Amino acid sequence: GENVEQHPSTLSVQEGDSAVIKCTYSDSASNYFPWYKQELGKGPQLIIDIRSNVGEKKDQRIAVTLNKTAKHFSLHITETQPEDSAVYFCAASRWDTGRRALTFGSGTRLQVQP
Amino acid sequence: NAGVTQTPKFRILKIGQSMTLQCAQDMNHNYMYWYRQDPGMGLKLIYYSVGAGITDKGEVPNGYNVSRSTTEDFPLRLELAAPSQTSVYFCASTPGTANTEAFFGQGTRLTVV
Repeated sequence: GENVEQHPSTLSVQEGDSAVIKCTYSDSASNYFPWYKQELGKGPQLIIDIRSNVGEKKDQRIAVTLNKTAKHFSLHITETQPEDSAVYFCAASRWDTGRRALTFGSGTRLQVQP
Repeated sequence: NAGVTQTPKFRILKIGQSMTLQCAQDMNHNYMYWYRQDPGMGLKLIYYSVGAGITDKGEVPNGYNVSRSTTEDFPLRLELAAPSQTSVYFCASTPGTANTEAFFGQGTRLTVV
């Protein structure tokens, strides 16, 4: 089955700096790679996703890049703000067939220092 | 819209007791999932369903059972609770079409003592 590894487990940045979180996946058949943000006491919420026919996607201050050959993808947050502090999870799945269930990385706790 | 609703939010069980975690969604989604989240870890898939009457095991199904009699509801049953089942449980749903966003409930924090 799929295995997703995520690094780093914790990340502390100063407000206004950039943050980068990296993930690798094992199943070359995976073609959907979402990123979720989890705030304390809440369920994960989708912030951005990318499919394997795309190399990069941006949405305001966040962007995701995908390298299919190397089987890794990354989340980039620019101009970080205190409200970006949360746990971020990467995930991988097949979106077009089968169970479409997400396999999650172990999470990155991001702290943005004011 | 309520989205995905889980009940209860918190529960303490004694070893050997049983309980059902409730999950309901009002988005008419075909796919529903149960995940558990242990401290400092990602979410692990317990069971999933691709439609009413169809369920299948995920990565960590032992000690759990599910049913899906309607599109809206996907309860998770714990029989003979064990301390290893102490975790936060999340229910999620997705349309199962090209729109693949998974919507999560707020979670149920379960402690087995």
